[in-house]
Amino acid sequence: EPEVTQTPSHQVTQMGQEVILRCVPISNHLYFYWYRQILGQKVEFLVSFYNNEISEKSEIFDDQFSVERPDGSNFTLKIRSTKLEDSAMYFCASSEETRVGNEQFFGPGTRLTVL
Amino acid sequence: DQQVKQNSPSLSVQEGRISILNCDYTNSMFDYFLWYKKYPAEGPTFLISISSIKDKNEDGRFTVFLNKSAKHLSLHIVPSQPGDSAVYFCAAILNYGGSQGNLIFGKGTKLSVKP
Repeated sequence: EPEVTQTPSHQVTQMGQEVILRCVPISNHLYFYWYRQILGQKVEFLVSFYNNEISEKSEIFDDQFSVERPDGSNFTLKIRSTKLEDSAMYFCASSEETRVGNEQFFGPGTRLTVL
Repeated sequence: DQQVKQNSPSLSVQEGRISILNCDYTNSMFDYFLWYKKYPAEGPTFLISISSIKDKNEDGRFTVFLNKSAKHLSLHIVPSQPGDSAVYFCAAILNYGGSQGNLIFGKGTKLSVKP
C-alpha cells in the first residue's frame, strides 16, 4: 500500500540553525501539506501546496518557514532559523485532490528538537 | 481559538463494549468532518468522515453521527477491540469555497480498550 514517508524521524538542532524536513508524498497525489503538533497540543495546519506554489498557509507559517518541491518526488519544509518553540512533531500529508472529503494521508512525522 | 473541541482527553472502555468519542465545533462554516486515529510514533490515519449534509455515516464497526444544530459529532465504535486503543482526533474542513481543504483538528481523545 502506498504511503507517505518522512526523513529524518528525529532531528536535533541548535537554536538559530536551519533545518530541512523531507517528505515523499504518495506518487499520484497532487496536494501536499505540512502540519505540526507541539507536545500535548493539537495538530495544527501549517501550509498547503499545489502546482508548485503555496495554496494556503496559517499564521504559524511566517517568514522563517518555506516549502519546496525540488524534484518530482520530494516535498520539503525548511525552517530558516530555528527557535525553541519550533520543537514539535512535523507531519507531512498528501491527497489526490482537495475535493471536500478527499482524505489526506499522513506520514509518520519528524520529531524536531531545538536546543 | 478552539474551533474543534474534544473535551474528554481520555476514555477507557471494556473490550466488546461501545466506545463513544465526542467532538464539538464552533464554526458553522465547517462542511466536512473526519476522524483520524493515531498510534504512538505514527502519523494520523484516516478512519471515517461525514459531510455536513448527512447525519450518519457507517463503516463496519465505526459510525459517525453529526448533529448540526448542536454543532456536535460523535464516533461510535462497536464492538471495541484492544487494537482500537489509540488517540482519536476529530477534524473539520471549512466550506470548500474558501479553503484548500486543510484540516482543523481537535486535541484528541486517548481511547484505552481493556481486554
